[in-house]
Amino acid sequence: DVKVTQSSRYLVKRTGEKVFLECVQDMDHENMFWYRQDPGLGLRLIYFSYDVKMKEKGDIPEGYSVSREKKERFSLILESASTNQTSMYLCASSPLMGQGNQPQHFGDGTRLSIL
Amino acid sequence: QKEVEQDPGPLSVPEGAIVSLNCTYSNSAFQYFMWYRQYSRKGPELLMYTYSSGNKEDGRFTAQVDKSSKYISLFIRDSQPSDSATYLCAMLPGGYNKLIFGAGTRLAVHP
Repeated sequence: DVKVTQSSRYLVKRTGEKVFLECVQDMDHENMFWYRQDPGLGLRLIYFSYDVKMKEKGDIPEGYSVSREKKERFSLILESASTNQTSMYLCASSPLMGQGNQPQHFGDGTRLSIL
Repeated sequence: QKEVEQDPGPLSVPEGAIVSLNCTYSNSAFQYFMWYRQYSRKGPELLMYTYSSGNKEDGRFTAQVDKSSKYISLFIRDSQPSDSATYLCAMLPGGYNKLIFGAGTRLAVHP
């Protein structure tokens, strides 16, 4: 079974703090993704990565950055947290396209509150 | 107009009912169609995955894709209280790995 592990289930931070959300997958997947999920807005893609040190902006990258130094690990960084970044953050992974169009597998999410 | 439309519900049904969940889409390039189930305070879990038009069955679940109408459905037979969750449809164009999600439908199955 694919296992995507997010380091924290719940996190409370203060406005202006630099926040790191960590995600690790154990299936040697090339692709990794960060989403946020908000009521009424569904899942929105923040950033994705298709290889180590590679990254692509998603639909809402403003205020975020990412880091992928190792294949299994993908970090989301909130450079200066703001209250409108309070949300559920979901990490996902999938194999490379050439291995068949495999769907994404998700972690259990990090519920982040910015005070 | 959103690329994928999904009625958010909530949908409330009695135990044992047949449930029909639906999504419509506008992009004819979508070729891969998925249904995810998300329990409260958990991440989405892949339920069904289909390619192009047709039906796919897995136990009590049937996924149906009608590309000519740009319409996909998930049927749940003999629904159980444990099926109570939010169901998300998702789609993928061929040759591209960026999933497009519906907003999700909240389902409640009551005993």
